[in-house]
Amino acid sequence: AQSVTQLDSQVPVFEEAPVELRCNYSSSVSVYLFWYVQYPNQGLQLLLKYLSGSTLVKGINGFEAEFNKSQTSFHLRKPSVHISDTAEYLCAVTNTGGFKTIFGAGTRLFVKA
Amino acid sequence: NAGVTQTPKFHILKTGQSMTLQCAQDMNHGYLSWYRQDPGMGLRRIHYSVAAGITDKGEVPDGYNVSRSNTEDFPLRLESAAPSQTSVYFCASSGSQPQHFGDGTRLSIL
Repeated sequence: AQSVTQLDSQVPVFEEAPVELRCNYSSSVSVYLFWYVQYPNQGLQLLLKYLSGSTLVKGINGFEAEFNKSQTSFHLRKPSVHISDTAEYLCAVTNTGGFKTIFGAGTRLFVKA
Repeated sequence: NAGVTQTPKFHILKTGQSMTLQCAQDMNHGYLSWYRQDPGMGLRRIHYSVAAGITDKGEVPDGYNVSRSNTEDFPLRLESAAPSQTSVYFCASSGSQPQHFGDGTRLSIL
C-alpha cells in the first residue's frame, strides 16, 4: 500500500523568506511524485513532477523539489516567497505501473507581509 | 481546448435527494477519475475508469455510482445524498502523467 505524509498542516512565513514544505511517502513499488498548488476556491495546478532522471526538479513560480529515494522524501522549496504564494500545497504519488494516485493531507502556506 | 470541465460549480442538496455531477474532457484521455476533497484529508479517489465501458471502485466508493459510455464523459451520481457527502469533488483525466484536474464542484448536503 502507498501512503503520503505531509508533515506540516500549516506553515506561516514572512515575505521574501525561504520555505520548505515536507513530504514523505511509503510505497512497495516505484512511484512518480508530484506537487500541486491549490488557490482558494480553485482546482489543482501542477507545480512540478518527478518521473525519472535528475532528482532535483524545477517547477513553476520558482519552486523546486528534490527526490530522495533513500529517505523516501520529496520536499518542496522556494528561496524567497511572495504574498501570492499563499495557497494549499498537495504532495502526491502515483505507482509507475498504473494511475492510482495517493495524496497527502496538504500544507497551507501562509505568507505574511 | 477546455481540458476537464465540471458542472455545476456549486450546488445545495437536501438529504435523500439525488444528483449527478458532470465531467467532460476533450483531450481524448483514457483514464478518468473522481476525487473528493475534505479538510485535512487531501484528495481521495471515489471511482475511476480506464476506458469507455470500464469503471472500477476507488478508495471511497460507497454512496456513489459512475458510468462511462464514451471517451469524453464521466458522470458521478449520488442516488440518495447524505450530509457526509458534503465535499468538494474533482474530476481528473490522464493519458500519461500527470493528471489534469477540473475546477471542482462544491456540494453541500443539508
